[in-house]
Amino acid sequence: QKEVEQDPGPLSVPEGAIVSLNCTYSNSAFQYFMWYRQYSRKGPELLMYTYSSGNKEDGRFTAQVDKSSKYISLFIRDSQPSDSATYLCAMSPLTGANSKLTFGKGITLSVRP
Amino acid sequence: EAGVTQSPTHLIKTRGQQVTLRCSPISGHTSVYWYQQALGLGLQFLLWYDEGEERNRGNFPPRFSGRQFPNYSSELNVNALELEDSALYLCASSLADSYEQYFGPGTRLTVT
Repeated sequence: QKEVEQDPGPLSVPEGAIVSLNCTYSNSAFQYFMWYRQYSRKGPELLMYTYSSGNKEDGRFTAQVDKSSKYISLFIRDSQPSDSATYLCAMSPLTGANSKLTFGKGITLSVRP
Repeated sequence: EAGVTQSPTHLIKTRGQQVTLRCSPISGHTSVYWYQQALGLGLQFLLWYDEGEERNRGNFPPRFSGRQFPNYSSELNVNALELEDSALYLCASSLADSYEQYFGPGTRLTVT
């Protein structure tokens, strides 16, 4: 079993839809959870980060972490064509001695006008 | 504020050759990370440098190596290139002890 699993997609939704992107993980040492957005031929950009369990909201984006289920989600409300990109979840353990991110494979989202 | 910069943008090499990729972190960031993004494999962690020292290494062979300079810029060297090394190589930087990594645009390496 891979450390981080992400729905492979691709995902296509109409403009204005609510989008739910999910990742599961197996390593209980993960404490920091991030979502990156990557446009075509660009490097990933940090979208959201959360520490441990709970919800975090930023505009149209909500990140949710359920450590008991080892499950994280990113919700996008009122999706826009400009949200069309690949979304990658990433995770890191608490200790600074292992400061590397483990990524999901990413899911490509297309928002249709 | 300038972001992470990488050079070159694209590179084409022949199998068996050697390549050097370069990265300049965001000003004030002391940690530099290298990742490989190959088609179908996602982002794979390669190397982490902090304050000039290699702090962690991913599951890659020793022909992948690098270094960090006193100005915190970094190089990634790949020797004896193989076809499977064709990928987007991404550099990221962060403040010391921060999990917020900021990525550059990447260097696309094609090995023929």
